[in-house]
Amino acid sequence: ETGVTQSPTHLIKTRGQQVTLRCSSQSGHNTVSWYQQALGQGPQFIFQYYREEENGRGNFPPRFSGLQFPNYSSELNVNALELDDSALYLCASSFRLGPIYNEQFFGPGTRLTVL
Amino acid sequence: AQTVTQSQPEMSVQEAETVTLSCTYDTSENNYYLFWYKQPPSRQMILVIRQEAYKQQNATENRFSVNFQKAAKSFSLKISDSQLGDTAMYFCASASLGGSQGNLIFGKGTKLSVKP
Repeated sequence: ETGVTQSPTHLIKTRGQQVTLRCSSQSGHNTVSWYQQALGQGPQFIFQYYREEENGRGNFPPRFSGLQFPNYSSELNVNALELDDSALYLCASSFRLGPIYNEQFFGPGTRLTVL
Repeated sequence: AQTVTQSQPEMSVQEAETVTLSCTYDTSENNYYLFWYKQPPSRQMILVIRQEAYKQQNATENRFSVNFQKAAKSFSLKISDSQLGDTAMYFCASASLGGSQGNLIFGKGTKLSVKP
């Protein structure tokens, strides 16, 4: 069983640029959540995708957007990058079936540096 | 809104000894879950233990156990027989079944160092 994978591992961008981060969910999972982890902080929820639709969003501006594909992989797009966007971006997948909580499995993250 | 507070930025423990990490939380939800996650220096987040709020019995997983005090909104993690491989950041987190079902709210973490 393949775990959650993310690409790229590291990325350096300059202010104002756009970036796309990718996540492949664990086999059999249908839900992907994205988190931003600033240095020395706990992860903060960005948004969640379930069956290709956004299903909840944290306190992040619209320049953070996402997609989920039919194979349940996902992308996180960030436009007009700001210095404060520098962080570790974590993707987590889970299998959602009904109103019970299902464990989220995390990927290794993408370290984004904005100069 | 849910909040999670970890008041111990760093802790250390000698190998084979016991350590307790503290966590308090606040939520208006009736149906929620609490978690402890471990993030080693390699950074992949791993679930250590989870507790369903409706269960009175404290969860245990081998050397890891929790002390869940629902009225006090306290959720501490006890690590027994500490091992060098337990060195990591530990995050307390909560989630409810409402909304995005599984949106994890994390604390700021406690850096645990296990010394030989």
